[in-house]
Amino acid sequence: AQKVTQAQTEISVVEKEDVTLDCVYETRDTTYYLFWYKQPPSGELVFLIRRNSFDEQNEISGRYSWNFQKSTSSFNFTITASQVVDSAVYFCALGRRPNTGNQFYFGTGTSLTVIP
Amino acid sequence: GAGVSQSPSNKVTEKGKDVELRCDPISGHTALYWYRQSLGQGLEFLIYFQGNSAPDKSGLPSDRFSAERTGGSVSTLTIQRTQQEDSAVYLCASSPRRTSLNEQFFGPGTRLTVL
Repeated sequence: AQKVTQAQTEISVVEKEDVTLDCVYETRDTTYYLFWYKQPPSGELVFLIRRNSFDEQNEISGRYSWNFQKSTSSFNFTITASQVVDSAVYFCALGRRPNTGNQFYFGTGTSLTVIP
Repeated sequence: GAGVSQSPSNKVTEKGKDVELRCDPISGHTALYWYRQSLGQGLEFLIYFQGNSAPDKSGLPSDRFSAERTGGSVSTLTIQRTQQEDSAVYLCASSPRRTSLNEQFFGPGTRLTVL
């Protein structure tokens, strides 16, 4: 069975602090994909990143970075020097290979509040 | 280009009534998903359409829920005999079909309130 766990329900940080959002996943698939989505207060989910199971290289995009570790089944997301605009709910998701039916499993989300 | 659109944006209905929620995916996207997001909860998968294949209905919570996708494009999610616990935001997403799994593009959602 597939499952995504985001143990942190809510996090508050002061602007300019770094923050890491945790994501742990479960799957028996050998090929899978991991995603992060951002849901700002306006409500519409926005795609942030996709990683496939064969690529464990960490990725950095501006203030965002992602740490994928297969050994611990984790795909954590770090925001450096947080800003108020980062306040949102962040969802981690697991995607299975195409043609395996339902393909996406979302965590319950982490609500991040950045205090000015 | 145009993104995923959903209508109505808000729907208030009385318990026991039927409702229809509409999703217009991005043109050319063959995959379409419906999710339900209850207050403070994650996204609960409901149903998945891929091209002309039989839909994956494994997430539908009861037989009061059904969905159709006509012509491989527009989709309608129908909830019959609505209950108060059906109150939630219903999200639609579409995705292009390629050899690897792509990100989903989400619509703004329909907020359903059952009184």
